Amino acid sequence: EDQVTQSPEALRLQEGESSSLNCSYTVSGLRGLFWYRQDPGKGPEFLFTLYSAGEEKEKERLKATLTKKESFLHITAPKPEDSATYLCAVNSGGSNYKLTFGKGTLLTVNP
Amino acid sequence: SQTIHQWPATLVQPVGSPLSLECTVEGTSNPNLYWYRQAAGRGLQLLFYSVGIGQISSEVPQNLSASRPQDRQFILSSKKLLLSDSGFYLCAWTRLTGAYEQYFGPGTRLTVT
Repeated sequence: EDQVTQSPEALRLQEGESSSLNCSYTVSGLRGLFWYRQDPGKGPEFLFTLYSAGEEKEKERLKATLTKKESFLHITAPKPEDSATYLCAVNSGGSNYKLTFGKGTLLTVNP
Repeated sequence: SQTIHQWPATLVQPVGSPLSLECTVEGTSNPNLYWYRQAAGRGLQLLFYSVGIGQISSEVPQNLSASRPQDRQFILSSKKLLLSDSGFYLCAWTRLTGAYEQYFGPGTRLTVT
């Protein structure tokens, strides 16, 4: 059974203070690892897909990396508008294309 | 481009009343469709998924049911709501290429009183 564990559960940063969120996963054959951003009261917004170990993706102040056991979402010089819950999910394939999600990291960036 | 819609956005219903939540996808054909429930501190729980018209798979036995009457329409229903049905309901679709990432709708906040 696929498993995804995200840490920390909550992270509070000062504006400009860089940090990383962790997503550890156990899956029998990774097809893709996904990062989402979710604002309060809204649906998750797709950020990145990572396919294989060593891959990196960047978008503005966010950079996602992938190893064989975990993924990191690095946030460089965050701004208050980066405050959100960040969700990680994996897809191990199969005919129904179901994803397994972590519980998320609630990021708060103070001005 | 593809767009996913959900309605209503918010709903307050008494215990024992029926429920119907609707999800539609534009700009794609034959997508896989999913219903999730998100409760505070519990993450995303997959409720149902559908790979085609009339094809529904249930992940969790419960008070809810789902139907897919048209290719891009997915409906979540209940005959009698329970207090425990309160939550944030999300619909999602999958692009059947690449790693099959899912794209989510705006969600429906359901409060059962």
